[in-house]
Parts: sequence; C-alpha cells; structure tokens
Amino acid sequence: NAGVMQNPRHLVRRRGQEARLRCSPMKGHSHVYWYRQLPEEGLKFMVYLQKENIIDESGMPKERFSAEFPKEGPSILRIQQVVRGDSAAYFCASSPATGIDQPQHFGDGTRLSIL
Amino acid sequence: DQQVKQNSPSLSVQEGRISILNCDYTNSMFDYFLWYKKYPAEGPTFLISISSIKDKNEDGRFTVFLNKSAKHLSLHIVPSQPGDSAVYFCAASAYGQNFVFGPGTRLSVLP
Repeated sequence: NAGVMQNPRHLVRRRGQEARLRCSPMKGHSHVYWYRQLPEEGLKFMVYLQKENIIDESGMPKERFSAEFPKEGPSILRIQQVVRGDSAAYFCASSPATGIDQPQHFGDGTRLSIL
Repeated sequence: DQQVKQNSPSLSVQEGRISILNCDYTNSMFDYFLWYKKYPAEGPTFLISISSIKDKNEDGRFTVFLNKSAKHLSLHIVPSQPGDSAVYFCAASAYGQNFVFGPGTRLSVLP
C-alpha cells in the first residue's frame, strides 16, 4: 500500500464533534476515491473526486459528510457532528485515470471511533 | 441490492492445495473485474484484474477466470501458502467508473 498516504491512522471523536480525514494520492494520480468499511462488511463507495471537482458522490450520506480535493494539498473527507454510527474504517484509493486496466491503489485507512 | 456477491464468507485450504474463491455479479454492464487482498489493519492490495474481453488472466500463482454468460468470476491460487491467509474482495466496474466491492471471503491456509 506504499504510495497512498492516509492520516491519521486512528481518530477518536466524541459525539457532535467534527472528524477530518486526509488522503494524499500516489504520485502522478489525479483521481481519488473514498470508501467506508463497517465491521464485518465490504467496502462501500462514497465519493470520487478529481482535482477541484467532485465527479460522483452517489455514495455519500446526504447530510454531515463532505469531501474535497483542492488544487494543492490532500483530499479531505469531513464528517460534521459525528454520531456513533460513523464509527468505521475509511479508505482512500487513487488512480491515474479511469478506463480499462486502471486498478485503484488503496491507503491503509483511518479508523474512526466515536465515543 | 448487492451487485457483487461473494457467497462464501470463509474458506479453509491446506497449504500446497488450490484455493478457489468465487464471485457473482448481477450488472451486465460491468466490464472490468478485480481481486484485492486485505490483511487486518491494512488497506486492500490489488492482486489481479480481467477485462470483459478476456476469459482468463494469469499472474504467477494467481489466475482469474471470467464466465460472462454466467456472470461469474473466480480466483484460483495455486499452490496456496500460509501468507495467502487474508480477506479477498472481488470488485467490478462499468466503463471505468467507481468500483463495486463484494463483501469478501476470508481465506485461511492451514500449514
């Protein structure tokens, strides 16, 4: 998983606080994807971004969740007013472009725990 | 509504034997399929992929087979090694869009 950097690796928040998760894609990759994994479940797509643009946010909850990928700096997944159900592992992946034969490469995730 | 299914939550195989992990999908628009391996506390690692124009792709000990008419793919690992013990995710995409992942199969390779 070298290349896609996520931080922090672990994040603890109390209910009602904000959580910010950061993702730096692999060098040369301009596409970023965020996934959520609940315990004992697979990865669920949340949002797909290119630099400064949200391409597909069909997997994002309608409220409290937002994502950005600015021209400079990492992609940020922001969760406002966190609740217990937000506890999960959040994975970021990157790819150089869409199309055939372009696997996504994943970071090691941020484990979010809500007290 | 699961578009990608992995009906076996777990599988145990003896070291040196073949591991066969199965995946079924429902969306006929999927044209690119991948397998990822995941260890605890790590992100998924890309293993092998196949496009819908092929029915087989091989990389070392790993072979993926695609049966489009049955909407079924499988991953064969031969010979299986203890280090292969992990959760394996099948994923699919259509026209290069975001991937849909299956729920995973936990493989245990017994020494």
